[in-house]
Amino acid sequence: QVQLVESGGGVVQPGRSLRLSCAASGFSFSSYAMHWVRQAPGKGLEWVAVISYDGSNKKYADSVKGRFTISRDNSKNTLYLQMNSPRVEDTAVYYCARDLWELQSSPDAFDFWGQGTMVTVSS
Amino acid sequence: DIQMTQSPSSLSASVGDRVTITCRASQGISNYLAWFQQKPGKAPKSLIYAASSLQSGVPSKFSGSGSGTDFTLTISSLQPEDFATYYCQQYNTYPLTFGGGTKVEI
Repeated sequence: QVQLVESGGGVVQPGRSLRLSCAASGFSFSSYAMHWVRQAPGKGLEWVAVISYDGSNKKYADSVKGRFTISRDNSKNTLYLQMNSPRVEDTAVYYCARDLWELQSSPDAFDFWGQGTMVTVSS
Repeated sequence: DIQMTQSPSSLSASVGDRVTITCRASQGISNYLAWFQQKPGKAPKSLIYAASSLQSGVPSKFSGSGSGTDFTLTISSLQPEDFATYYCQQYNTYPLTFGGGTKVEI
């Protein structure tokens, strides 16, 4: 069965760095675009970034552009989010999510989500 | 960016009630609209894609409709496990955007 397991969250100081991981299993990881979505405490959902199935295309929310980098290692079935220069307002649960359809180059719905990893940015 | 507006932001209902949630896009998105359910402390669960198609394993008491800018999610007979927050999302254009959520309470 499809599983997405996030890790790497924790407490980080503003301006430092943190890398989140999302380990995928139960499907052909290299065939699906993958997303990061976050949710600040008590708030709604915010899309963060997407990476194409082959890693050649990436898009970001304006709120993280230039600070966060999405990447993937298809040989390890793992998605990453490198968070550089995090801000207090980046405090949130970060979820990874999978595109519904394989090999999509245009925006697509999600189907599976991970359980999330909490990131707290605080001095 | 496309703004997604949900209404109401919360509602109170009883077991067995029929519940309808509305989502409006700031510009036309064809049928590129998804719905999610989220329970406290849990990850979102995908319910509907393409405005009206049920995700695998989602019970038929959930239904979606709409196209263009106006969409609805209907729960035909509310059960205790359906009390949750529901979000719509457009995937017509990046950045993907979510509605603010509708909390369905007892």
